Amino acid sequence: QVQLVQSGAEVKNIGASVKVSCKASGYTFTSNSITWVRQAPGQGLEWMGWISTYKGDTKYAQKYQGRVTMTTDTSTSTAYMELTSLRSDDTAVYFCARDKNFVFEIWGQGTMVTVSS
Amino acid sequence: QSALTQPASVSGSPGQSITISCTGTNSDIGGYKYVSWYQQHPGKAPKVMIYEVSNRPSGVSNRFSGSKSGNTASLTISGLQAEDEADYYCCSYAPGNTRLFGTGTKVTVL
Repeated sequence: QVQLVQSGAEVKNIGASVKVSCKASGYTFTSNSITWVRQAPGQGLEWMGWISTYKGDTKYAQKYQGRVTMTTDTSTSTAYMELTSLRSDDTAVYFCARDKNFVFEIWGQGTMVTVSS
Repeated sequence: QSALTQPASVSGSPGQSITISCTGTNSDIGGYKYVSWYQQHPGKAPKVMIYEVSNRPSGVSNRFSGSKSGNTASLTISGLQAEDEADYYCCSYAPGNTRLFGTGTKVTVL
């Protein structure tokens, strides 16, 4: 079946980087973009950006410009989101989602990233 | 860009209908047909309930419906059921090929 499976929980120090993976299966990976969304504890959903799995084009939310990099490995149908210079307020669950015609129709299970000092 | 504005909470009794509003600007909701709604139960990933303002994905109950007027989109849940208790988020296409989520609404079934 169509699914996105994300990497496991991470604990990072302030100032470090984290790279979350999102492995797609059950469909042609390059047919749809991947969007990344995060949710801080007790807070709402926040769009971080998207990547075209076909061309590799990216678009990031202004808030994350310079700190986030989204990439893909088409040979393994995997998307990656790397966030650098981590701060305590980056503690959140990070989701990937298949972005089909501006609809986030399939979601990964989420990856908890905890940033502590 | 600021998040789209939703009421923090909406409640209703089983069988009733409720409506959740999502207010943006003519640069996002008012400018495009790409408004979607997501349901999120605690500890779970979101699930799309409505896309392109008023379309329901296969498998989503027809008790869920969407509409838009000007800069405000709405999600209506009719025949409210206990399983509908969850958080709901709207999302809109926004300038520069970006996306904007709403602030989220907690639906409580009394």
